[in-house]
Amino acid sequence: AQTVTQSQPEMSVQEAETVTLSCTYDTSESDYYLFWYKQPPSRQMILVIRQEAYKQQNATENRFSVNFQKAAKSFSLKISDSQLGDAAMYFCAYRSDDNDMRFGAGTRLTVKP
Amino acid sequence: DGGITQSPKYLFRKEGQNVTLSCEQNLNHDAMYWYRQDPGQGLRLIYYSQIVNDFQKGDIAEGYSVSREKKESFPLTVTSAQKNPTAFYLCASSALLISPLHFGNGTRLTVT
Repeated sequence: AQTVTQSQPEMSVQEAETVTLSCTYDTSESDYYLFWYKQPPSRQMILVIRQEAYKQQNATENRFSVNFQKAAKSFSLKISDSQLGDAAMYFCAYRSDDNDMRFGAGTRLTVKP
Repeated sequence: DGGITQSPKYLFRKEGQNVTLSCEQNLNHDAMYWYRQDPGQGLRLIYYSQIVNDFQKGDIAEGYSVSREKKESFPLTVTSAQKNPTAFYLCASSALLISPLHFGNGTRLTVT
């Protein structure tokens, strides 16, 4: 099964600054889908951004963007102009063609005012 | 409103008892999932199902069982064989592959 690795258990950013969360994955497949989810203290899972592996263009959603490096099997999340409401656990996820979806261990993001 | 419902929110059981967690969706999604989350940990896949009457094991299926008799429902049974069942359980559903998972609000299971 595919594995997803988030090497930063915790990250901190100053409000209005930019932060990048790392994610790498292991796969032998060529077609797959990548996601970033946010989990605030309420524990509700919220989709942040998604990327199809066959698309070379990096996905963006307002202040959130990804750096997708297919050859390196890397999928980092950049949060620009960080806000206090961005504080949460962030999970990277990999979805294969057979719908198997795996998550990383998460990165806890703290935003300092 | 369409959504995915998990019940109950909190569940308490004595060790040695089987317990079933409910998950219902009215989104007409084909795929459904069960994940376990321990404190400060990520989501670990227990089982998933792509269609009715079919499901696949995830990384930690031992001690758990599922059924998928209806498209809308994907209940998870935590059996007495599960060594450490106390955890937060999340159910999710999804349509197409690029579609995101829609998550329920979770069930916190405590076994004493």
